[in-house]
Amino acid sequence: DIQMTQSPSSLSASVGDRVTITCRASQGISNYLAWYQQKPGKVPKLLIYAASTLQSGVPSRFSGSGSGTDFTLTISSLQPEDVATYYCQKYNSAPFTFGPGTKVDIK
Amino acid sequence: EVQLVQSGAEVKKPGESLRISCKGSGYSFTSYWISWVRQMPGKGLEWMGRIDPSDSYTNYSPSFQGHVTISADKSISTAYLQWSSLKASDTAMYYCARGYYDILTGYYYNWFDPWGQGTLVTVSS
Repeated sequence: DIQMTQSPSSLSASVGDRVTITCRASQGISNYLAWYQQKPGKVPKLLIYAASTLQSGVPSRFSGSGSGTDFTLTISSLQPEDVATYYCQKYNSAPFTFGPGTKVDIK
Repeated sequence: EVQLVQSGAEVKKPGESLRISCKGSGYSFTSYWISWVRQMPGKGLEWMGRIDPSDSYTNYSPSFQGHVTISADKSISTAYLQWSSLKASDTAMYYCARGYYDILTGYYYNWFDPWGQGTLVTVSS
């Protein structure tokens, strides 16, 4: 099965900073990658699908890129409400594995 | 509004059986796959398996195959996750989530939106 890794596992940044999270698949998955945000105690929320397509209603400061094995999620200007854990997920074929998550805090 | 509403929290003893539910509304239930996702306390998201409610075809993650059963009753727009013999290690939050169906192309995609509110299962003697 394809394994998903994320880096870093956690980060702390200031409000207004540009934040980048990396997700890597152990084999190529084309652009079959989604990103989710999970705030503490809340349900996961879809941010991006097809590696770079922003889900309706998601702020434009979030963006995604990549194809094949390497992907990134970027928050262009970190806001206090972005404190959360972010997960990537591959969906090219079952099992639809999630990455281990990246926890984002405010410095 | 498209919604998935899950059954309430459960407290069970090891060895007991359990079935939790996920009711879809606001859309054609048989047109979209439903997946189940586990989140153990303080841990990440794990995809468990999915079901096609139109014919009850299922896929399971190798990690969960044989440990749980996913089913659906399309007449009441409800999917289920069940255990025949719970273990303490089954203590977790369980989410159901809907996949995506592109009506124009007829393709299914397994990104998840929306999600149910979660069902907390606690297994303790």
